[in-house]
Amino acid sequence: GAGVSQSPSNKVTEKGKDVELRCDPISGHTALYWYRQSLGQGLEFLIYFQGNSAPDKSGLPSDRFSAERTGGSVSTLTIQRTQQEDSAVYLCASSLEGLAAEAFFGQGTRLTVV
Amino acid sequence: SQQGEEDPQALSIQEGENATMNCSYKTSINNLQWYRQNSGRGLVHLILIRSNEREKHSGRLRVTLDTSKKSSSLLITASRAADTASYFCATLFSGGYNKLIFGAGTRLAVHP
Repeated sequence: GAGVSQSPSNKVTEKGKDVELRCDPISGHTALYWYRQSLGQGLEFLIYFQGNSAPDKSGLPSDRFSAERTGGSVSTLTIQRTQQEDSAVYLCASSLEGLAAEAFFGQGTRLTVV
Repeated sequence: SQQGEEDPQALSIQEGENATMNCSYKTSINNLQWYRQNSGRGLVHLILIRSNEREKHSGRLRVTLDTSKKSSSLLITASRAADTASYFCATLFSGGYNKLIFGAGTRLAVHP
């Protein structure tokens, strides 16, 4: 596609439910990032996929959070047993492999846990 | 934390004035990038400066990098109301995973 696509753009869920957020990166981009941004705050790194390497999960805040990247393309971020503090905008970005690569961002998924 | 730190957190200026934002980081980097965010959604890449570069220009943007002080600055000259946004620095750390880590950002307001 022309850019990074995230779905849904908005999600309201009840506390305790599981949610899945989807990211379609730019075709050919081997690196994929997930970030979380609370209102008025910076971007909190969650997880990083690079090619076929094991992902860097060091930013996941708890074991309720997990992410997969299938076939080196689409990624899904899953939050189990959602809590109110999980409410935030979840941003996905992709980039070409290499150190000089800029990251291209999707428009994010705004998650609200009620 | 490996995050960069931006200052000021917020900046309010008049159209036509210059805006300067600073970013500091903690560990060795491969490059440093600046991004812009409107309305709290997707970020747009502005400029990338490599660790062996000291200054870079792009239109009204000027970025400097001082690796000895682990700091960078973004200067927007002749600001316009349309420059109102949040600006983030992001560092690509050297060694191990080359992941992109963002700072907390500077919220810039340019008044007509």
